[in-house]
Amino acid sequence: SQQGEEDPQALSIQEGENATMNCSYKTSINNLQWYRQNSGRGLVHLILIRSNEREKHSGRLRVTLDTSKKSSSLLITASRAADTASYFCATDARMDSSYKLIFGSGTRLLVRP
Amino acid sequence: DGGITQSPKYLFRKEGQNVTLSCEQNLNHDAMYWYRQDPGQGLRLIYYSQIVNDFQKGDIAEGYSVSREKKESFPLTVTSAQKNPTAFYLCATHGSSQETQYFGPGTRLLVL
Repeated sequence: SQQGEEDPQALSIQEGENATMNCSYKTSINNLQWYRQNSGRGLVHLILIRSNEREKHSGRLRVTLDTSKKSSSLLITASRAADTASYFCATDARMDSSYKLIFGSGTRLLVRP
Repeated sequence: DGGITQSPKYLFRKEGQNVTLSCEQNLNHDAMYWYRQDPGQGLRLIYYSQIVNDFQKGDIAEGYSVSREKKESFPLTVTSAQKNPTAFYLCATHGSSQETQYFGPGTRLLVL
């Protein structure tokens, strides 16, 4: 089952522009994470925001979380061609002693030089 | 990709054949996960293991099997019962005190 859904599915911008992608989820969470995937590679963790946080920054990344709307956004400022990748949000799910992440369907970002 | 290795990078399966994908980690992490990714899609959880000699089914376990005999290793077998195995398979881990997952480089499985 997929908890997070990203919007848009694909985004094409010019180098130097900002890129914003959104994630919506269905159930309550402890944290929400964003991952990046270059084509044909594994995922790399970018940033984690906890349910009691509203905004978090890491370099050119800015993540917001609105638990009342069950949504998050990832902003990449001053984009570069090297930012071209797919971006996924993931929410935590705990059952008994098990911990797992539920990933969204991803946003494919293309940054044109 | 950290201390997680997956092999092979590409794997070809014939009809009716079982194939095994390897995942090895040297991060000393307890939890390990197998995901399937179809083109242009997100990740779907196949199996996961929180500790040695224990594992649980994920959302799409049918046609797959796993074992966890060692902390470092979590191999995935794609059985002949999996009728549509063509996909990109990702292995991940996380430590007991962590919430983020670390991913291997993936194995692409193709059917001949």
